[in-house]
Amino acid sequence: QITLKESGPTLVKPTQTLTLTCTFSGFSLSTSGVGVGWIRQPPGKALEWLALIYWNDDKRYSPSLKSRLTITKDTSKNQVVLTMTNMDPVDTATYYCAHRHGGSSTFDYWGQGTLVTVSS
Amino acid sequence: QSVLTQPPSVSAAPGQKVTISCSGSSSNIGNNYVSWYQQLPGTAPKLLIYENNKRPSGIPDRFSGSKSGTSATLGITGLQTGDEADYYCGTWDSSLSAYWVFGGGTKLTVL
Repeated sequence: QITLKESGPTLVKPTQTLTLTCTFSGFSLSTSGVGVGWIRQPPGKALEWLALIYWNDDKRYSPSLKSRLTITKDTSKNQVVLTMTNMDPVDTATYYCAHRHGGSSTFDYWGQGTLVTVSS
Repeated sequence: QSVLTQPPSVSAAPGQKVTISCSGSSSNIGNNYVSWYQQLPGTAPKLLIYENNKRPSGIPDRFSGSKSGTSATLGITGLQTGDEADYYCGTWDSSLSAYWVFGGGTKLTVL
């Protein structure tokens, strides 16, 4: 059974760096084709894909946010970490991590999400 | 503004059929598989359709997907009040380095 759970601060100040951790179980990030991605959703708005890290440490980023994002993995801890620099109130959103299915190239399991508010 | 275009809302009566469109381009839908997600109020998105028309285990066959050229369509038959949700399409875009894109979402109302 695949599960993912996001953790991190619920409130950050403008200009600060956000660090979120996705802790997962039921799969290994060393398995060929597997990946873990991050997606966010501002209140009342659409989903926005942020980043993805593959089993082989290949990383993909949203072109519009690439300069602010860093994604890393710790295979031994079953964790993926996303950092986003220079946070702004418009970055207030629920942040989800999701399992990328190796064979079908889709996000098939999602975490419950964590709401991050950016405010001074 | 989303790379993939969906209608903001659709509605239909219980028991009826509804379709939701997702329009893209050759750099995304035209050359990649499309997925569809259902997001019930206050919950995380759930995978409904992958590889254009495949259903994960546990998804009823009332939900179907299709793709033609640079557009994709989600179909839902035998509408139930429990189907009221936001629906999102998604796929890879290869215009720059490969990255994932979502549609703007469609709110389904079951009247």
